[in-house]
Amino acid sequence: QVNLQESGPGIVKPSQPLSVTCSVTGYSITTSYYYWNWIRKFPGNKLEWMGYISYDGSIYYNPSLKSRISITRDTSKNQFFLQLNTVTTEDTAVYYCARHRGYNPFDYWGQGVMVTVSS
Amino acid sequence: DIVLTQSPALAVSLGQRATISCRASESVRSSMHWYQQKSGQQPKLLIYGASNLASGVPARFSGSGSGTDFTFTIDPVEADDIATYYCQQSRNDYTFGAGTKLELK
Repeated sequence: QVNLQESGPGIVKPSQPLSVTCSVTGYSITTSYYYWNWIRKFPGNKLEWMGYISYDGSIYYNPSLKSRISITRDTSKNQFFLQLNTVTTEDTAVYYCARHRGYNPFDYWGQGVMVTVSS
Repeated sequence: DIVLTQSPALAVSLGQRATISCRASESVRSSMHWYQQKSGQQPKLLIYGASNLASGVPARFSGSGSGTDFTFTIDPVEADDIATYYCQQSRNDYTFGAGTKLELK
């Protein structure tokens, strides 16, 4: 059974970096040909795909975030990570990790972690 | 970016049919998927590839369409179906519709 679980700080101050971890159990993040994504949901319910790290370590970011985002992984712990730099209140959202393959949908999601940007 | 347009809300009666549309700003072929999201939960995949039922999803849910126009149907609607439904394309990067909130009449 594939399970994804996010963990994060809860509150981040403006201009600071936001860091969230996704811990995956039941499936190796190095298994071909799966991609491991970060997606966020804003308070107005809009969903935004942020980027992914693939089974072979390649990364791809949403162009709208490219200057601020970094996705990395630790294969020994079967985890991947999101860092979003220089956050503002507009980055307040629920952050989800999710899996997909090719043109296929996001088939497994974590429960999400709420991150609030506030001083 | 491919923009997906959904109507914001739909009111239906229990036992009736609910139909939600999603229009893409350019063709996504059949790379359209539908999710259900209830308050406080993660999105749940219902339909993939425009018309394929995800594993374990009841046959009351269905999808159709290709190119730029897609339809998602629940027939009949049950009380547990009250939620927000999102379309999502994976043809060119990944974008979501704004969601359609299904409400009871």
